[in-house]
Amino acid sequence: AQTVTQSQPEMSVQEAETVTLSCTYDTSESNYYLFWYKQPPSRQMILVIRQEAYKQQNATENRFSVNFQKAAKSFSLKISDSQLGDTAMYFCAFMKQPFQGAQKLVFGQGTRLTINP
Amino acid sequence: NAGVTQTPKFQVLKTGQSMTLQCAQDMNHNSMYWYRQDPGMGLRLIYYSASEGTTDKGEVPNGYNVSRLNKREFSLRLESAAPSQTSVYFCASSARDRTHEQYFGPGTRLTVT
Repeated sequence: AQTVTQSQPEMSVQEAETVTLSCTYDTSESNYYLFWYKQPPSRQMILVIRQEAYKQQNATENRFSVNFQKAAKSFSLKISDSQLGDTAMYFCAFMKQPFQGAQKLVFGQGTRLTINP
Repeated sequence: NAGVTQTPKFQVLKTGQSMTLQCAQDMNHNSMYWYRQDPGMGLRLIYYSASEGTTDKGEVPNGYNVSRLNKREFSLRLESAAPSQTSVYFCASSARDRTHEQYFGPGTRLTVT
C-alpha cells in the first residue's frame, strides 16, 4: 500500500517570503501521479499543482513549483512571494496509474501554513 | 455549472441513527468518490464508483454503504451511526482524462453523539 508523509504539521512565514512544504511517499509503482491540494478555511479542496512521475521536468504553476525527486520519493512544494490568501492546509497526495477509471488518491496528514502580514 | 454539490452541509446524529449523504455533479464525470477527513489526518477514501453501475470499497469502508443512483449522483449511507464516524465527509468526481484531477464538493460536517 502507498503511504504519504508530511513531516511539518505547521509552518508560518511572513508575506512575500518563499516557503517550502515537504512531502515523501512510499510506493513500488513505476507509473503514478502526485498532487498538492490546498484547503483554505472555507474547507474547499483546491488543486494547486500536479506532477506525472514519468516527467523529469518539475511542474510549475505561477508562484507554485515542485521539486520532484523520484529516486528519493520526495515531492516538495515551493510557494514564492507568498500572499495572505495562501494561508491554508496543504495536502500532498499520491495516485497510482488509474485502472478502469478508478483514480484513487492517498493523502498525507497535511501542513497548516500561515502567512503573516 | 455548480460543480460538485453535497447535502446537507451540517448534521448531528445520535448513536444508532441512520442517514444518507447526497452528492451530485454536473460535469458529466464518470467517476465519483467519498472521502472522510478527521482532525490531524488527511482525507481517506471510503468508497468509489469508477463508472455508473459500479462501486468499490476504498481504504475505510466499514460502517458505510453507497449507491451510484445514476451518472450524476452518488450517495453515502450510514445505517447505524457511531461516534467514530464523526468527521467531515467530502464527495469528489473526476473525468477519465490525462489530468486525473478530482473536483471536490464543499463537505458535510457530521457529528454523532
